[in-house]
Amino acid sequence: HVLTQPPSVSVAPGQTARFACGGNNLGGNTVNWYQQRPGQAPVLVVYDDTDRPSGIPERFSGSHSGNTATLTISRVEPGDEADYYCQARENTGVLKWVFGGGTKLTVL
Amino acid sequence: EVQLVESGGGLVPPGKSLRLSCAASGFIFDDFAMSWVRQRPGQGLEWVAGINWDSDETGYADSVKGRFTISRDNAKNSLFLVMNSLRPEDTALYYCAKDMGGDPLDALLDHWGQGTLVTVSS
Repeated sequence: HVLTQPPSVSVAPGQTARFACGGNNLGGNTVNWYQQRPGQAPVLVVYDDTDRPSGIPERFSGSHSGNTATLTISRVEPGDEADYYCQARENTGVLKWVFGGGTKLTVL
Repeated sequence: EVQLVESGGGLVPPGKSLRLSCAASGFIFDDFAMSWVRQRPGQGLEWVAGINWDSDETGYADSVKGRFTISRDNAKNSLFLVMNSLRPEDTALYYCAKDMGGDPLDALLDHWGQGTLVTVSS
């Protein structure tokens, strides 16, 4: 994968979960994040590095510095258990997009 | 309410073709770019192809370029994906997804369908 994500993250309820996404193409491109619960379609939770679509709780936030982007979920709830994917343009100006391999969040 | 309903999936032998459709409702279809994204069984997401609002701009993943063609019919609120020369590795759940904007194509996907399953096998 052009975008690298750790395969898993585990946190207890109420704690903070952080998901890293790295890639050489991230220096000039914004990052989007998607949540996919088992058996369901993905849901956009953060776009353009830091923005939240309407309906997404403020507990979800994003940041981006250089070649690394991070999704943070504060006050994790059992319902947050899902796979989380980052996405970005493959390269600046190119009409291709790539996803990271995904990180599975386990709520202990 | 935005709705995206995919159809056209099924079992197809290697080398054959298949045409996927996506029926859109609940929004002004010709205001927005659209994409297809696939997910192989037990695997992650892969962006496949995208098209802007007026079909002036399209993009493809390297894995499908030259074999797959994305198109849309704004009069019928429909998105299509014609898949030729299918390979076993094309086996996946194919999602239709709506972009947040219309132009340029940005693959910022704020609504997704439930997917249609394509199985390539002899």
